[in-house]
Amino acid sequence: GAVVSQHPSWVICKSGTSVKIECRSLDFQATTMFWYRQFPKQSLMLMATSNEGSKATYEQGVEKDKFLINHASLTLSTLTVTSAHPEDSSFYICSAVDFRGGAETQYFGPGTRLLVL
Amino acid sequence: ELKVEQNPLFLSMQEGKNYTIYCNYSTTSDRLYWYRQDPGKSLESLFVLLSNGAVKQEGRLMASLDTKARLSTLHITAAVHDLSATYFCAVANNQAGTALIFGKGTTLSVSS
Repeated sequence: GAVVSQHPSWVICKSGTSVKIECRSLDFQATTMFWYRQFPKQSLMLMATSNEGSKATYEQGVEKDKFLINHASLTLSTLTVTSAHPEDSSFYICSAVDFRGGAETQYFGPGTRLLVL
Repeated sequence: ELKVEQNPLFLSMQEGKNYTIYCNYSTTSDRLYWYRQDPGKSLESLFVLLSNGAVKQEGRLMASLDTKARLSTLHITAAVHDLSATYFCAVANNQAGTALIFGKGTTLSVSS
């Protein structure tokens, strides 16, 4: 079946540094990917929609200059947390949409746990 | 704006008993999903419900969808410890390629 991978699975960084998270669709092309954030004991909140070949669409309250999204190919979207601060510590999960077979199926990656010290 | 509400948010279950989780959503949707999340893990897809009256079952879990009432239920039959996890329902807008809007999740704890 379709698989979505994320790298790294966890990362610890110092405050003020930037962290890049990759989301890959392994056996299908995804023109659309989504980035979610989940704080402890909370639900998933949509951060942005990543569209291949165009600018990402950010949800209200999400700073586009802080969370840079690049969807450079049909199988890869990256999320860069710039100048990370402790409040950015969270579980980041991406998903990719598979339109094959006329159905729309969304597959979630395994998540990336970010800890900013 | 599409909103998704789940209840209860916490459910302490006894082994062998039956329980139901409810998921209400605010606007018309043609897709409803149920996911399971174990601590520290990502989401595991359980069910996709695409039409009014849809019912799907897998093991001790059964999900149903009433699009007229904008309600889905996840029914647990004879709970066992392995079912302890957080369960999310999520709804998509009626537009291809849009993100899912998640409920707050229901954390299940099964005790003997």
